[in-house]
Amino acid sequence: DGGITQSPKYLFRKEGQNVTLSCEQNLNHDAMYWYRQDPGQGLRLIYYSQIVNDFQKGDIAEGYSVSREKKESFPLTVTSAQKNPTAFYLCASSINQGLALEQFFGPGTRLTVL
Amino acid sequence: AQSVTQPDIHITVSEGASLELRCNYSYGATPYLFWYVQSPGQGLQLLLKYFSGDTLVQGIKGFEAEFKRSQSSFNLRKPSVHWSDAAEYFCAVEDYGGSQGNLIFGKGTKLSVKP
Repeated sequence: DGGITQSPKYLFRKEGQNVTLSCEQNLNHDAMYWYRQDPGQGLRLIYYSQIVNDFQKGDIAEGYSVSREKKESFPLTVTSAQKNPTAFYLCASSINQGLALEQFFGPGTRLTVL
Repeated sequence: AQSVTQPDIHITVSEGASLELRCNYSYGATPYLFWYVQSPGQGLQLLLKYFSGDTLVQGIKGFEAEFKRSQSSFNLRKPSVHWSDAAEYFCAVEDYGGSQGNLIFGKGTKLSVKP
């Protein structure tokens, strides 16, 4: 079955550590996205990528980094510069970044900073 | 800047009762609109979308939504709620002011269903 996988489902980090969240899709989608979700805040866009080896900052990119070396993979690194990283992180993809195209979401990773 | 407002943070309905979740957007022209549902600890699933044409859109799981340009609204409805509909619902609009193809999400409405 085609879909988006995120791993791990739960992740714990000590303050000052960088962590990387995995996102893989086998839908052959060009565009991929990372969102952060906090209670009562909806989804906020961190980074997005329209094509391999290219990505752009979203609304809250500070303290995060990404790479897009392969079409199917879009890992997110939460760096020590992110002041409040505890949140639920969602990865999504769409066929391409055209108008009116729905995004498909992975199951999410819950990151907790200890 | 564009925005999406979901006025109700939390709604409780009885099983079998009808449901309407409100969504208002700010954008001058006709936007592309979406409703997603999220079960606890899970990702989002698309319920329905509106691009153009008939203003009443049918979706999955018995949901429908009506686009009303005069009210800048895209409310989600279901005639008879089932206990399995308890979840959080997000309205989203295509981001025309920023990068095309990106979505702007409302803050969500949590639905609880009473037996």
